[in-house]
Amino acid sequence: SAVISQKPSRDICQRGTSLTIQCQVDSQVTMMFWYRQQPGQSLTLIATANQGSEATYESGFVIDKFPISRPNLTFSTLTVSNMSPEDSSIYLCSVVDPLAGAGEQYFGPGTRLTVT
Amino acid sequence: DAKTTQPTSMDCAEGRAANLPCNHSTISGNEYVYWYRQIHSQGPQYIIHGLKNNETNEMASLIITEDRKSSTLILPHATLRDTAVYYCAASGTYKYIFGTGTRLKVLA
Repeated sequence: SAVISQKPSRDICQRGTSLTIQCQVDSQVTMMFWYRQQPGQSLTLIATANQGSEATYESGFVIDKFPISRPNLTFSTLTVSNMSPEDSSIYLCSVVDPLAGAGEQYFGPGTRLTVT
Repeated sequence: DAKTTQPTSMDCAEGRAANLPCNHSTISGNEYVYWYRQIHSQGPQYIIHGLKNNETNEMASLIITEDRKSSTLILPHATLRDTAVYYCAASGTYKYIFGTGTRLKVLA
């Protein structure tokens, strides 16, 4: 399965600032996703990161707040902009491994963000 | 993608089988059922998936009812390391809608 790393692993940020989270995969993958997991909650899909085109956002998430880049088939970034304490969450990227079977996703270790 | 519902929590004795149910009554014909688990807020770990036949791998077995409206993940001999939150999701488009998950506690 694909090996995924994220940077930073955790950060504490002040409200009003922005943080960019990096996701690196050890192989080329077509589909990459970004999720948010608020404290004690399940995972919520933010967007699908498309290589060579704009990301596709889920209801409730907008590009101005969560801009995403996908410059190539192994890398993506998610920026959390103009942060507030409500943005304190774990942010995870995932990929669909083209060598795997029927679309199972593999997740990075997550970035734990605390906004003060 | 179909919504899934799971019990909030379950306990299981170490060495016994853990049976985790998931309801996905609105699942459509092309949607797979996927199971993941998350330990200590790490990234979720893929366990198993299936369409309509029962499936087994080195981690678990997946039993899907004939009408596909529900499924059960079976950990045949639970260990303390299986303590985690278990999520099921139904998807045919690579986009998962995760339910709230079941917090499984394996007791010594």
